[in-house]
Amino acid sequence: AQSVTQLGSHVSVSEGALVLLRCNYSSSVPPYLFWYVQYPNQGLQLLLKYTSAATLVKGINDFEAEFKKSETSFHLTKPSAHMSDAAEYFCAVSDRRSQGNLIFGKGTKLSVKP
Amino acid sequence: EAGVTQFPSHSVIEKGQTVTLRCDPISGHDNLYWYRRVMGKEIKFLLHFVKESKQDESGMPNNRFLAERTGGTYSTLKVQPAELEDSGVYFCASSPRREATNAYEQYFGPGTRLTVT
Repeated sequence: AQSVTQLGSHVSVSEGALVLLRCNYSSSVPPYLFWYVQYPNQGLQLLLKYTSAATLVKGINDFEAEFKKSETSFHLTKPSAHMSDAAEYFCAVSDRRSQGNLIFGKGTKLSVKP
Repeated sequence: EAGVTQFPSHSVIEKGQTVTLRCDPISGHDNLYWYRRVMGKEIKFLLHFVKESKQDESGMPNNRFLAERTGGTYSTLKVQPAELEDSGVYFCASSPRREATNAYEQYFGPGTRLTVT
């Protein structure tokens, strides 16, 4: 069975500071991993994905995430937070053997202080 | 290219009534998924269509929920009769066929917020 744990339901950073959102996964098979973002009153938008190529994955808006198999982690980072990054972020895992469903973490709300 | 669309954006109904949610996937996407987020909880999978066939409906809560995808295009999710615990945001997502380079990317709609009173 697969599962995702996102540490911290709320994270607050100052504008210009490093953003670090944590995600740990559990999977009995090699996973595909995703980060999605939901801005207020919008749907989920794919930020980036890991599908077994490079372990350091770059996404939109300068976000990146590193797949660490030994730590079963896929943390999301951004060097410098912008006010427009305020949103809810979701980590998700799926089984690479199929085009099956995504299993989501509970989400982390990111606040950016001026 | 138009994204995934969902209708309505909001629905408020009374307990016992029926509601039908609609999802139009990205044109040409074989895979269509329904998810739900109950307030304070994680987004949970409901079911997966491949074209018009149900591939996986293991997440459907009970038999008050009925999903269809006639002709393999748009999909509907009917809740009959609605209960208070059905309140939440219902998301639809679609993805291309397996052979596509972005086969594992699911594109989400804006969701339908359902409130059952």
